[in-house]
Amino acid sequence: EVQVVESGGGSVQRGGSLRLSCTASGFTFGSYDMNWVRQAPGKGLEWVSSISGSGSSTYYADSVKGRFTISRDNSKNTLYLQMNSLRAEDTAVYYCAKSVTYNSGCLDYWGQGTLVTVSS
Amino acid sequence: DIQMTQSPSSLSASVGDRVTITCRASQGISSSLAWFQQKPGKAPKSLIYAASSLQSGVPSKFSGSRSGTDFTLTISSLQPEDFATYYCQQYNSYPLTFGGGTKVEIK
Repeated sequence: EVQVVESGGGSVQRGGSLRLSCTASGFTFGSYDMNWVRQAPGKGLEWVSSISGSGSSTYYADSVKGRFTISRDNSKNTLYLQMNSLRAEDTAVYYCAKSVTYNSGCLDYWGQGTLVTVSS
Repeated sequence: DIQMTQSPSSLSASVGDRVTITCRASQGISSSLAWFQQKPGKAPKSLIYAASSLQSGVPSKFSGSRSGTDFTLTISSLQPEDFATYYCQQYNSYPLTFGGGTKVEIK
């Protein structure tokens, strides 16, 4: 059974840093692109970042470029999102989502999400 | 960036009704369009990919179609478990973009 489980969320002050993790199981992790999508309280879905299966290609939303870094450790079946210089508008539930294949932004399985709260 | 305009933003319907939600892309995206269902406090669930292909395990009352840059999600007979918010998403190019969502409520 495919599973992705996020962790690492919490409360942080504006300007602070946080690292999210997403542990995957039930599929050959390194063969699939992975993604982060967030949802601010009461709002819609916003794509944040994607990474290729090998980790050689990364993509970012303009709203996080230069502040967030996506990475992966295929030996640990784990995806990461390093978030620096956090702003109040980064407050959201962050979801990890698996792509249906390599080189694809089509998402199939999602984790349950982890809440990040940035306070001033 | 490709903008996804989803309509309506909300609708009220009764059990048994046929419901249609539309998503329009600001430029051509081929059939690179997915639909998701999200219930309160839960993660989104994939319903349809490639505009009209049903995800495994998703009931056939859900269907998707494409006409140019217009995409439609149809629920043939609304059931209580279908009351949720629905999102479209294009994956033709980065940045990936979502529609604003359609909240389906009970009339």
